[in-house]
Amino acid sequence: GAVVSQHPSWVICKSGTSVKIECRSLDFQATTMFWYRQFPKQSLMLMATSNEGSKATYEQGVEKDKFLINHASLTLSTLTVTSAHPEDSSFYICSARDPSESYNEQFFGPGTRLTVL
Amino acid sequence: RKEVEQDPGPFNVPEGATVAFNCTYSNSASQSFFWYRQDCRKEPKLLMSVYSSGNEDGRFTAQLNRASQYISLLIRDSKLSDSATYLCAVNTDKLIFGTGTRLQVFP
Repeated sequence: GAVVSQHPSWVICKSGTSVKIECRSLDFQATTMFWYRQFPKQSLMLMATSNEGSKATYEQGVEKDKFLINHASLTLSTLTVTSAHPEDSSFYICSARDPSESYNEQFFGPGTRLTVL
Repeated sequence: RKEVEQDPGPFNVPEGATVAFNCTYSNSASQSFFWYRQDCRKEPKLLMSVYSSGNEDGRFTAQLNRASQYISLLIRDSKLSDSATYLCAVNTDKLIFGTGTRLQVFP
């Protein structure tokens, strides 16, 4: 399957700082990428859909001014958690669809574990 | 009602057992269906896509019932290495996950 990378794999930061997470599709071009968040013992919750060259589409209850998404190229989307607080500590995972796959499979990055102190 | 529902388990089974997971979805317009496997503190990995005709990959068989809006995953001859959380996912314009079913295979 397609390969998606994510960086960093983990980050610890102080409350009030901003953290940027990168998601890259390595062997295909992704016009659409997705950002998920997973709290312990819970499922993946879609936060937003990242569209190359246009604004992201946020799910209900996700603050767009707090979780800034930029998808400036066909292989890179970034998620910036602004003014992070301890309740933002979570596992953030991006995914992308390979347009050559007809069944709309999504492939996931390895995730970023964010801990806010 | 949640869009995608799964029994959270855990399912504790001995090696060699056959185990089945079910997942129901509420949106009849859903277009594609998947089973993912997630190991502890890792990202989900695609296990199988689920097609209307059903499909099999080695010890794993997936079925889709559109009329009743559920998908299933059957694992035969369970191995210790099958221990993980199995997530069903349903796609309309976005991919929605169930809560996952934890499987623990013991010797």
